[in-house]
Amino acid sequence: EAGVAQSPRYKIIEKRQSVAFWCNPISGHATLYWYQQILGQGPKLLIQFQNNGVVDDSQLPKDRFSAERLKGVDSTLKIQPAKLEDSAVYLCASSLMDRTYEQYFGPGTRLTVT
Amino acid sequence: KNQVEQSPQSLIILEGKNCTLQCNYTVSPFSNLRWYKQDTGRGPVSLTIMTFSENTKSNGRYTATLDADTKQSSLHITASQLSDSASYICVVSAYNTDKLIFGTGTRLQVFP
Repeated sequence: EAGVAQSPRYKIIEKRQSVAFWCNPISGHATLYWYQQILGQGPKLLIQFQNNGVVDDSQLPKDRFSAERLKGVDSTLKIQPAKLEDSAVYLCASSLMDRTYEQYFGPGTRLTVT
Repeated sequence: KNQVEQSPQSLIILEGKNCTLQCNYTVSPFSNLRWYKQDTGRGPVSLTIMTFSENTKSNGRYTATLDADTKQSSLHITASQLSDSASYICVVSAYNTDKLIFGTGTRLQVFP
């Protein structure tokens, strides 16, 4: 079974530039999550999709962050414009939403904003 | 407030030695507790998951314990290997929700 795929793996941009990350979840997983993990901290949930609908985006900085999940499969997360404090690893996870609520994480995209 | 705290923040041990990582939580109502291993540059990978009724679970050289009364968990690593160098994150779920509450992790370094 293929895992969660993310790209790019690394990205370096200057502040005020835009950036987009892509995630392909495990086949058949209806639920998709985007997390932000700042160095030395645990992941923080940014947004959760159930199929192509948003379930929770309460911690998404909507003035600069946006996300979509077209056709309920792949998802993109965009930052526009980026700030220095956006430097972090952006993790995508997917879940079957069975009774274990197990989430499977991708390798992440490491973003550095200079 | 639902919180998960881990100790120590970082740990250095020699290859072949054992170590124990600690996790305290205040999540209520409790559903389950997971330990994840996160290698540098990779996403977290689940090692163990325990529900309220379970007080120990093993996965190879990793053994997790849970005391639901004191809201404490530990992860014991036996005969450490260089490949055990990683961050270990304790994650707790509240009952009937998929939201995960993450600890800040323990950074383990194993030296030869």
